[in-house]
Amino acid sequence: NAGVTQTPKFQVLKTGQSMTLQCAQDMNHNSMYWYRQDPGMGLRLIYYSASEGTTDKGEVPNGYNVSRLNKREFSLRLESAAPSQTSVYFCASSPQASGSSKTQYFGPGTRLLVL
Amino acid sequence: QKEVEQDPGPLSVPEGAIVSLNCTYSNSAFQYFMWYRQYSRKGPELLMYTYSSGNKEDGRFTAQVDKSSKYISLFIRDSQPSDSATYLCAMSLTGGGNKLTFGTGTQLKVEL
Repeated sequence: NAGVTQTPKFQVLKTGQSMTLQCAQDMNHNSMYWYRQDPGMGLRLIYYSASEGTTDKGEVPNGYNVSRLNKREFSLRLESAAPSQTSVYFCASSPQASGSSKTQYFGPGTRLLVL
Repeated sequence: QKEVEQDPGPLSVPEGAIVSLNCTYSNSAFQYFMWYRQYSRKGPELLMYTYSSGNKEDGRFTAQVDKSSKYISLFIRDSQPSDSATYLCAMSLTGGGNKLTFGTGTQLKVEL
């Protein structure tokens, strides 16, 4: 049981390049999330998917797009990378989008450097 | 003003000390409170989960919620060098989906 996996672990991009960050979970969770973590800013929600087939914006969605490919996979795309998108990106999942269980389980992160 | 405030530290303590980590928040509608531990260059992992007010204990860890003061705490007894990490508080609303609002984290170092 791998939990939440993310690829790649580390990536360097030039300004204007595009890339897709991949996330998969094997816990049969309904909800998935993308965060970025920056020094002094904590974890900020970029996009989330409450269930397969739905996606919604979080706190900092500008410059990003997402795709909930199926129940297991949730990808984050940067269409034209900017230095301000240099960050550590975490994917997370939770059993459901409502109810008493608010627990989220995190992946190991992708470190992105945009030059 | 951020919804959740957390002292970034770093906090350095000797092995065996009792550690107190705290967060304050402004939104009185938060009902679910969590503590995550994050080791360097790793993802956050859930440590403690509490609903509404009160205390919850798990081994050397105790989570405390005081909703009247909008203040939550995590106590670590008999701290070990392996407890050295960043501790993030997180909270959620009832009915707010599963969106979490995080503090910025407190860096803890337990020294031999």
